[in-house]
Amino acid sequence: AQKVTQAQTEISVVEKEDVTLDCVYETRDTTYYLFWYKQPPSGELVFLIRRNSFDEQNEISGRYSWNFQKSTSSFNFTITASQVVDSAVYFCALSSHYNQGGKLIFGQGTELSVKP
Amino acid sequence: SAVISQKPSRDICQRGTSLTIQCQVDSQVTMMFWYRQQPGQSLTLIATANQGSEATYESGFVIDKFPISRPNLTFSTLTVSNMSPEDSSIYLCSVDRLGELFFGEGSRLTVL
Repeated sequence: AQKVTQAQTEISVVEKEDVTLDCVYETRDTTYYLFWYKQPPSGELVFLIRRNSFDEQNEISGRYSWNFQKSTSSFNFTITASQVVDSAVYFCALSSHYNQGGKLIFGQGTELSVKP
Repeated sequence: SAVISQKPSRDICQRGTSLTIQCQVDSQVTMMFWYRQQPGQSLTLIATANQGSEATYESGFVIDKFPISRPNLTFSTLTVSNMSPEDSSIYLCSVDRLGELFFGEGSRLTVL
């Protein structure tokens, strides 16, 4: 069975702090995809990144970075120098290559609160 | 990216009634997906809608409760039938665009 665990339910930081959101996944598939989404208070889901299981290179996009480690089945997300606008719920998700595209298994989400 | 429009954006419904949610995409897509997000919870896939065939439902979801239409490659509807307070959720439409799954803004339903 596939599963995504985001153990941190809520995180609160002060602006400019760095923060890491943890994501641990379970799958028996050798080919799979991992995603991160942001859901601000307005409710829409914003796509942040997709990573396939064969690409373990870390990725950096501005203040965002992702650390994918197959050895520990983790795909952690770090925000550097956090800002109030980063306040949102962040979801990690998993998709099997063999599923129909679009079937994502979501974690429970981590609510990030960035205080000024 | 993909532009996905959902209607209504929110609604308050009475127990026992049904409501149809519309999803319009800015370009043709083979599959459209409907997700549910219950209050304070994560997202769960309800069904996959292919144009010209019946929708494929995930475990725990049935066609009688959540009938779906897919009349063309840019449009789909999801009906929530015979609603109860437990159906109060955000319902989201999504499409796969080159491996990236994009979501509409969601339809927030409150059932009284």
